[in-house]
Amino acid sequence: DVKVTQSSRYLVKRTGEKVFLECVQDMDHENMFWYRQDPGLGLRLIYFSYDVKMKEKGDIPEGYSVSREKKERFSLILESASTNQTSMYLCATTRGGAYNQPQHFGDGTRLSIL
Amino acid sequence: AQSVTQLGSHVSVSEGALVLLRCNYSSSVPPYLFWYVQYPNQGLQLLLKYTTGATLVKGINGFEAEFKKSETSFHLTKPSAHMSDAAEYFCAVTFSGGSNYKLTFGKGTLLTVNP
Repeated sequence: DVKVTQSSRYLVKRTGEKVFLECVQDMDHENMFWYRQDPGLGLRLIYFSYDVKMKEKGDIPEGYSVSREKKERFSLILESASTNQTSMYLCATTRGGAYNQPQHFGDGTRLSIL
Repeated sequence: AQSVTQLGSHVSVSEGALVLLRCNYSSSVPPYLFWYVQYPNQGLQLLLKYTTGATLVKGINGFEAEFKKSETSFHLTKPSAHMSDAAEYFCAVTFSGGSNYKLTFGKGTLLTVNP
């Protein structure tokens, strides 16, 4: 089974801090994704990476950046955290080369910005 | 552009009753469709998927869904609800040649099962 591990389940930070969320996968998947999930809005894609050092913006990239230095690790960075970034963050992975493959999700990080 | 609409943000059923969660999609090319389930404080877990072939797809935990191209629908059903089915359910769509495997999700349907 694919295992997607997010470094923290719960995180509390202060406005203006630089925040790092880490995601590690053990299945050598090419594609990795960061979503945020808010009540009534479903999942919205923040950033996507299809290879090491490669990234693409999703639907809501403003205020976020990402880093992928190794294939198994994909980091989401909040450059200067704001209260409107309080949310559940989900990392997902999928094998490259096939659109019919499902995404595999981590358990999420519930981030609160005070 | 592709989109997904889940009708009903909250569905409540009695234990043993039929579960029907509705999903309609919009896509200009043949879609790949997925249903995911999310239990409290967990990530999303794949229930089932439709890619090509048989339009009636069976998934885990007794769920199934039928792809109806003419109705652009992919509704999720289960004949008899169990208390453990209480969760949030998400429908998602992508298509071959789309934007880098991006999945478009519906806004979710929260299923409550009453004893």
